[in-house]
Formats: sequence, C-alpha cells, structure tokens
Amino acid sequence: DSGVTQTPKHLITATGQRVTLRCSPRSGDLSVYWYQQSLDQGLQFLIHYYNGEERAKGNILERFSAQQFPDLHSELNLSSLELGDSALYFCASSRRQGHEAFFGQGTRLTVV
Amino acid sequence: SQQGEEDPQALSIQEGENATMNCSYKTSINNLQWYRQNSGRGLVHLILIRSNEREKHSGRLRVTLDTSKKSSSLLITASRAADTASYFCATDAGSWGKLQFGAGTQVVVTP
Repeated sequence: DSGVTQTPKHLITATGQRVTLRCSPRSGDLSVYWYQQSLDQGLQFLIHYYNGEERAKGNILERFSAQQFPDLHSELNLSSLELGDSALYFCASSRRQGHEAFFGQGTRLTVV
Repeated sequence: SQQGEEDPQALSIQEGENATMNCSYKTSINNLQWYRQNSGRGLVHLILIRSNEREKHSGRLRVTLDTSKKSSSLLITASRAADTASYFCATDAGSWGKLQFGAGTQVVVTP
C-alpha cells in the first residue's frame, strides 16, 4: 500500500459527460501529480500541484482541469469526454522535489 | 514525448534466472526511478538513484546509472513468478519533480 488513495477505482461514462477523480496523497506529502496511462501514449504527465498551487503542466487538454485543496487532496476534472479519454489516471505524491513519488492504484475511466 | 526508452520491450525467463533491463534517456537528470506495474494495476516504486550515484541495491534489485551514457539498468536476481510485471524507468529532470516515463519492459517469469 503506497498510502496514496484514489477514488473511484472504475468509472464508466458516456461521451460528452464530465467526471471528477479524487486523490488523497500520503500523509505529509505536499506535492500531487496526475498522470494518464493509455495504450497508445503510455504514461504521460498531466499536471503538478504543490501545497495548493499549480507548479507544472504537461500534456493536459483544455477540457481537463485540476486543483489541490487546503487539506492537500486533489481532484482532476475531465469534461466533454471523448472515447479517446478512456485510460488509467494515476495520482502520485511526493514529500518534495527530488524524492520518491508514490502512486495510487489509479482510476480506470471508460468512455462509451 | 517519452524521455526514457527501455530495452528490451519484452523479456521471458525462467524462475531462478536473472533479468536485466536497460533504460536510456536524453537530457540531464536529478534522479531516475524504477517502477513495477502488475497488469493494469498501480505503479509500485522500486528504487530511486540520484545523478551522483552509480549503483544502488534493494533486496534482489540492483540498479546502475551511467550519466555519461545517459543510461541505467535494472537487474533482478533469482527471479520469481511473482516478478512477472511491466517495469518502467522514469526520469526526474528537475522540473518540480515531474517524471517522464519510458514505454516499459514486460517481464514474464515462468515457473
């Protein structure tokens, strides 16, 4: 158990819908990262938050947004969903830059 | 784009044998991390090696890093069926700790 909790584990939704994925980092970790894993793109960095502030953006679509709350949990919002958004979405947390990043079990999103 | 490239893409060995996989990357890094992923499940952190380290051990795992060649290797000794998984290298190039992953090496260990 990495200590990073993601909910839900599975999500099936229709095209055009909006979903929210939730992540609770390990106790004491201020950094939260979101990654997407798909068969064709592999593991791609989406966005990083540190203590509530956005620090870095990767290949994140404009239809996607995220935030980190004062209690350090984070949410990834995916809207106007398309079939191609079907993927595993991972959250990771880290004590600070340069330290190990620990991943949650992921949310498997299926868009039908 | 992916920073790391693993080699081989797939590896099939028998229990008790050693498994070696390599990772090459393109830019300077702060550290390199190896992860294991069992079929479609979460990523398990295996080991982190910093840019000023050349070798690190953790149980049956041995990681080397050659920054002059921009490459790393992961050796699993005395493999077990439970080691069957995909193994990924991920580089931290210093941009707030974000990781860039390779495509992974799929390892199958048969009893």
